[in-house]
Amino acid sequence: KAGVTQTPRYLIKTRGQQVTLSCSPISGHRSVSWYQQTPGQGLQFLFEYFSETQRNKGNFPGRFSGRQFSNSRSEMNVSTLELGDSALYLCASRRDSGGSPLHFGNGTRLTVT
Amino acid sequence: GQQVMQIPQYQHVQEGEDFTTYCNSSTTLSNIQWYKQRPGGHPVFLIQLVKSGEVKKQKRLTFQFGEAKKNSSLHITATQTTDVGTYFCAGDTDSWGKLQFGAGTQVVVTP
Repeated sequence: KAGVTQTPRYLIKTRGQQVTLSCSPISGHRSVSWYQQTPGQGLQFLFEYFSETQRNKGNFPGRFSGRQFSNSRSEMNVSTLELGDSALYLCASRRDSGGSPLHFGNGTRLTVT
Repeated sequence: GQQVMQIPQYQHVQEGEDFTTYCNSSTTLSNIQWYKQRPGGHPVFLIQLVKSGEVKKQKRLTFQFGEAKKNSSLHITATQTTDVGTYFCAGDTDSWGKLQFGAGTQVVVTP
């Protein structure tokens, strides 16, 4: 069974630009969550999608948005990039309900200059 | 809102020694999960605890869930260099809740 796939692995963007990250969950997993990981802040929850609906949302500004498609693939968009958005963005999928473990992808390393 | 605190933040261990990392939640949890992230890698699921007072073992790792379901611990015996990494606990409050991760315990093993 293929794992969670995130693309691209690395991105370098300039302040003010926007970026879209992609995540393909494990086959059969309908829930996709996004986390931001930085050395000082640990794993910060961004949002979770289930069957194309945003089920939970973390405390991030509206510049961070996401969506999920009918095949459960998910995208995350960050607009008007700031230097502080530089981080590892992790996507994780899990089976249909809460309480099941998360399976993480390798992440997308975003650097904003 | 729900908060999950994890201590210590860093743990330097001599190879062969034991250590424990602790996780505390401000609210009662429905379950708690533990993950390990190796340097340069992504978090990998280790175990899930659901019942009050539950204890589970994985080789040299022992996981406990508190009676009140608000705290948990991970104890590693006879630490090896393969134990290097950051250990995260993550608490779930209900079936539709988001997993709230602790800040992690970064483990460094000295040979």
